[in-house]
Amino acid sequence: NAGVTQTPKFQVLKTGQSMTLQCAQDMNHEYMSWYRQDPGMGLRLIHYSVGAGITDQGEVPNGYNVSRSTTEDFPLRLLSAAPSQTSVYFCASKRSFSGNTIYFGEGSWLTVV
Amino acid sequence: ELKVEQNPLFLSMQEGKNYTIYCNYSTTSDRLYWYRQDPGKSLESLFVLLSNGAVKQEGRLMASLDTKARLSTLHITAAVHDLSATYFCAVDSRAGQAGTALIFGKGTTLSVSS
Repeated sequence: NAGVTQTPKFQVLKTGQSMTLQCAQDMNHEYMSWYRQDPGMGLRLIHYSVGAGITDQGEVPNGYNVSRSTTEDFPLRLLSAAPSQTSVYFCASKRSFSGNTIYFGEGSWLTVV
Repeated sequence: ELKVEQNPLFLSMQEGKNYTIYCNYSTTSDRLYWYRQDPGKSLESLFVLLSNGAVKQEGRLMASLDTKARLSTLHITAAVHDLSATYFCAVDSRAGQAGTALIFGKGTTLSVSS
């Protein structure tokens, strides 16, 4: 049982490049979410999903795209990276309707130069 | 729009002292979460508070929830150096879909010294 797995752990991008942060969970959780963490800002919700084929925007969705084609995977796409997207990104998952525990991944450190 | 405010944002404590971190939120929510984060690490779940008047304790930490006041507290008793970390509270923003869309406070960075 690997829990929530994020890849890559570290990435440096040039401004304007695109990339995908991967998030996978093996717990059959319906709920998955992406957050970004910046110094002094806490964690902010980017996008979330309550099941395969269903996604919605969070607090700071601009510049990011998501899709949820399977229960296990919830990739986060940066369409055209900007220095303002330099951040630590966390993926989280939870079983719907039962249990209270939210599982967080280890984080992905992204630098845009 | 749900807003979550924590205070203080920085807290320097002496070992053995007691202190309280406050978490206020602006609209009704199903539940409230407390997390701990060490530098460079992910979030560690401390407490999930589900109802008005809920109180949970683990070691030197005790959390409570007052839904009428929209206030949660995290009380630290007899602080020790190992409690040095950043503590976050978070609130569900989606009624009926608990845990999918959390709004976080900015965090309280706690430093405990001897």
